[in-house]
Amino acid sequence: AQSVSQHNHHVILSEAASLELGCNYSYGGTVNLFWYVQYPGQHLQLLLKYFSGDPLVKGIKGFEAEFIKSKFSFNLRKPSVQWSDTAEYFCAVIPPWGGNTPLVFGKGTRLSVIA
Amino acid sequence: GAVVSQHPSWVICKSGTSVKIECRSLDFQATTMFWYRQFPKQSLMLMATSNEGSKATYEQGVEKDKFLINHASLTLSTLTVTSAHPEDSSFYICSARGPASYEQYFGPGTRLTVT
Repeated sequence: AQSVSQHNHHVILSEAASLELGCNYSYGGTVNLFWYVQYPGQHLQLLLKYFSGDPLVKGIKGFEAEFIKSKFSFNLRKPSVQWSDTAEYFCAVIPPWGGNTPLVFGKGTRLSVIA
Repeated sequence: GAVVSQHPSWVICKSGTSVKIECRSLDFQATTMFWYRQFPKQSLMLMATSNEGSKATYEQGVEKDKFLINHASLTLSTLTVTSAHPEDSSFYICSARGPASYEQYFGPGTRLTVT
C-alpha cells in the first residue's frame, strides 16, 4: 500500500547530539513533503516543507530536511539537539493525486533529549 | 500566518450523548477542511474531507452517521459525534486549506472523553 514510513519509533539523544529522523514515502510522481512537530500537550506545528526547488530545505528552530527523489526520502536533521526539542515528529506527504488530496502522515517518531 | 481554532479544547460527556466540535479558520477562507483523529501516542488518522457547501467524503471505516460533518461556510466546519461511546474517546484535530495552497493549517485539537 502507498504510505509514509518513519523508521524510528523512539529516539533518545543527549543534548548537543546530532539528529537524523528518517522518512520514506512510496508514492510515484510529484509529491509535497512536510515535517510537523507536536510538543507534549500542544498541537501540530509546521517545521518545514518542500514543494520544489532546492532539495535541502531549512525550517524553524535549526531543523533542515533533504529531499532525495531517487530514494523517496525526506529525512529531518538537526546538528545539535536541545532538551526543548523533546517532542513527537511527524513526516507527512501530499500524494500526487491533485484536487483536495489531504496530508498523509507517518506514524511519528518520539524524540527524547536527555541532559 | 493562518490560524485555525477549535472549540471546545476539552470535553467530557456521558455515553449515549452527542458532542459537537467546531473548527474555524480565523484569517483565511477554508475551501477544504479535514478532520483527523489521534489516539494516544499514535499518528493522525484522516476521518473525512469536507468542502464548503457539499457533503463530506469519509475515509474507509469511518461511520458517516456517527461522525456528522458540516461545512456550512468558508470559515466554519463542525464535527458532531453522535451517541458517543467510550471507544470514541480520542483527540480530534481539524485542519483547513485555503483555495490557492497545498498547505494545511491545524487546529489545536479537541480532547473528547466519553464516560
